[in-house]
Amino acid sequence: GAGVSQSPSNKVTEKGKDVELRCDPISGHTALYWYRQSLGQGLEFLIYFQGNSAPDKSGLPSDRFSAERTGGSVSTLTIQRTQQEDSAVYLCASSRLTSGTDTQYFGPGTRLTVL
Amino acid sequence: DQQVKQNSPSLSVQEGRISILNCDYTNSMFDYFLWYKKYPAEGPTFLISISSIKDKNEDGRFTVFLNKSAKHLSLHIVPSQPGDSAVYFCAAIYQGGSEKLVFGKGTKLTVNP
Repeated sequence: GAGVSQSPSNKVTEKGKDVELRCDPISGHTALYWYRQSLGQGLEFLIYFQGNSAPDKSGLPSDRFSAERTGGSVSTLTIQRTQQEDSAVYLCASSRLTSGTDTQYFGPGTRLTVL
Repeated sequence: DQQVKQNSPSLSVQEGRISILNCDYTNSMFDYFLWYKKYPAEGPTFLISISSIKDKNEDGRFTVFLNKSAKHLSLHIVPSQPGDSAVYFCAAIYQGGSEKLVFGKGTKLTVNP
């Protein structure tokens, strides 16, 4: 595809359920980033992948959050036992290089609502 | 603590006039700064960047100014167009550090026809 795609675009779930969010980066991009944007807040870094490995997981809010990337391509962000404070837009971005200054191309995001 | 601050949540300007969006940072280690633009229901898109070795970078109608001593940068849009109406995010990075961008909360710009 031409750009970064994310699915689903919207997800409504009940508190305590697990959710999986998917990101398809631009083909050939080495780096993949996950961010979230809560209401009225800026983009909060969660995790980034260099290939299939995640050198920096420091932004994951709790051990309920995990992410993986397989084949250097698709990534999945999993939130277990969702809480209402997890409600946010989750954005994925990819870049050709793993340098933070390389332009990151963002997907449209997944809006997660936890009831 | 917020390392990148955009203190104006919103800004409204007339078409054709200059838009000035401001951003302050607290971490003196930041050495590269970026502006992203975001339309509703879309992901942010890269707009312009500046390295700390420069104090100005220009790209068409967009100019970013960096004042390192004041830890302040600004984005100027001249002339402003209705299509510029969006949320603008300032971001910063320390290239010798974790390679992760630190974003401000954004400023919503409205350009009135």
